[in-house]
Amino acid sequence: GAGVSQTPSNKVTEKGKYVELRCDPISGHTALYWYRQSLGQGPEFLIYFQGTGAADDSGLPNDRFFAVRPEGSVSTLKIQRTERGDSAVYLCASSLNPTNTEAFFGQGTRLTVV
Amino acid sequence: DQQVKQNSPSLSVQEGRISILNCDYTNSMFDYFLWYKKYPAEGPTFLISISSIKDKNEDGRFTVFLNKSAKHLSLHIVPSQPGDSAVYFCAASIGGANNLFFGTGTRLTVIP
Repeated sequence: GAGVSQTPSNKVTEKGKYVELRCDPISGHTALYWYRQSLGQGPEFLIYFQGTGAADDSGLPNDRFFAVRPEGSVSTLKIQRTERGDSAVYLCASSLNPTNTEAFFGQGTRLTVV
Repeated sequence: DQQVKQNSPSLSVQEGRISILNCDYTNSMFDYFLWYKKYPAEGPTFLISISSIKDKNEDGRFTVFLNKSAKHLSLHIVPSQPGDSAVYFCAASIGGANNLFFGTGTRLTVIP
């Protein structure tokens, strides 16, 4: 596709369960970012990949959160032992390279932990 | 600690008039500033940006002004159109898009 694609668009899970959120960036974009947007807030940075490696994971809130990008394209954000406070919209973005400041966002995955 | 602040949660403007959205920041290391527009159930869409070496950038109906001494930037939309109704986020970065700091957004409503 032409834009950043995120699946699923909505995910409802029970507290304590494991979830995976997928991001398919724009073809050819080497930089990929995950953000989290809670209700009434702006997006907050979680992690950034340059190619296959996580160049900056300083935004991950704790060790329950992990992300991978094994082939330098699709990325998966993994959340273990989900908590109700993890409920938010998880946004993925990509850019041509890290110094290109125009990041293109996907539509997000709305995660609800019940 | 909110490094980018948008103190007006909402703004209503008549169609054809000017919309002015404001943003303040605290980190003097920010060297790039961006505005994103967001419609419901969609991701943010890049609108316009400005480097810290400039004080103005214009793109059609959209102009961003940067006042570094005041750590303040603003987005002007002239003339405002109903299709501009959305949430506008101000964002800032250091050295590129690898870590964007966002404000909390301003919901703009343009009244026909």
